[in-house]
Amino acid sequence: NAGVMQNPRHLVRRRGQEARLRCSPMKGHSHVYWYRQLPEEGLKFMVYLQKENIIDESGMPKERFSAEFPKEGPSILRIQQVVRGDSAAYFCASSRQKNTEAFFGQGTRLTVV
Amino acid sequence: DQQVKQNSPSLSVQEGRISILNCDYTNSMFDYFLWYKKYPAEGPTFLISISSIKDKNEDGRFTVFLNKSAKHLSLHIVPSQPGDSAVYFCAAIIHAGGTSYGKLTFGQGTILTVHP
Repeated sequence: NAGVMQNPRHLVRRRGQEARLRCSPMKGHSHVYWYRQLPEEGLKFMVYLQKENIIDESGMPKERFSAEFPKEGPSILRIQQVVRGDSAAYFCASSRQKNTEAFFGQGTRLTVV
Repeated sequence: DQQVKQNSPSLSVQEGRISILNCDYTNSMFDYFLWYKKYPAEGPTFLISISSIKDKNEDGRFTVFLNKSAKHLSLHIVPSQPGDSAVYFCAAIIHAGGTSYGKLTFGQGTILTVHP
């Protein structure tokens, strides 16, 4: 059973470009969570999605950031018009149900130049 | 507002000795606590957890202690092994409110180095 798969592992974008980060949850998992880890900090919750629905986006920046988890395909975290401050490691986690353990992917390291 | 704090950025321990990692929290609504281990270039891996109705949970070499009155928890690793060298994150959730187990509030992490 493959784990949570994130791609790309590394992404370099110029300021003003768009970044798309993909997350394929573990088989049988329909709950997805996105986290951001800034340098020297812990992981910060961004958004919680369940197939086709955003359940909790209390940690998402109000502008430029969006997330989706379509019926088919991976979850996507989209960052428009990236700025240097968006440079971070972005982790995705998935769980089978709301009250079961979440497993993390290896992360996508975004660098904005 | 850092609701979960790990005040020691790093800890160095000799192989075979005990490692003690500490974590403090400010939100009294937290009722479930977890420790994660993270190697470079990998995602966090669940290690051990404890519910607020307990004060101790043990799993092999790992024991977590919870002091609710002090809003403090600690992870004990004994004996420590070089393979334990990693970043350790403390995390908490407010489970009683129906919050998902995936919505975690993390501390900043402590880098543990176990020397042979």
